[in-house]
Amino acid sequence: DAKTTQPPSMDCAEGRAANLPCNHSTISGNEYVYWYRQIHSQGPQYIIHGLKNNETNEMASLIITEDRKSSTLILPHATLRDTAVYYCIARKSSGDKLTFGTGTRLAVRP
Amino acid sequence: EAQVTQNPRYLITVTGKKLTVTCSQNMNHEYMSWYRQDPGLGLRQIYYSMNVEVTDKGDVPEGYKVSRKEKRNFPLILESPSPNQTSLYFCASQLAGGPHEQFFGPGTRLTVL
Repeated sequence: DAKTTQPPSMDCAEGRAANLPCNHSTISGNEYVYWYRQIHSQGPQYIIHGLKNNETNEMASLIITEDRKSSTLILPHATLRDTAVYYCIARKSSGDKLTFGTGTRLAVRP
Repeated sequence: EAQVTQNPRYLITVTGKKLTVTCSQNMNHEYMSWYRQDPGLGLRQIYYSMNVEVTDKGDVPEGYKVSRKEKRNFPLILESPSPNQTSLYFCASQLAGGPHEQFFGPGTRLTVL
């Protein structure tokens, strides 16, 4: 699975959009981009995934660049409960192991 | 409610005393996995199972055993725990193959004295 690079920490104001970047310059054509988050020491929680096209669900939007070398997770209206460590993971569709890096620690300010 | 459960949630034990951490899922998932999480090292896979009676080593299998006799259960066994196995453990499950989401349990915090 391709290596991903994320900033170690970010912050945003409550109610504003949080944009979390991820670089995956060596991603291969059959690797998806997944986002998970971990609130404090709870089990990681799936957020969203995509291959080429932008994706949106009830939690977030995922924007993948045309060359697929980077992506951005967007939390449209961050709340205090979104404070967590966010992990960007590249994984083949047929692979089941998730390789977690160190992620981005997002702090949402009141 | 679809979920992965783990027991116990917290455990303090002593070196050498065999223990089992149970994991159960109610989603009929073929794939199950165990991870450990340590500060600065992230989550690392210990063992995984693609289906009943099919298990394989992950990245850090030393000192651990698993079994998969039933689809829903995937216990993690520490035959002779040591202090370096003090960690936060997570069980996970998902449908096998394809780009599916992986569901995680709430975690088991283990301390080996």
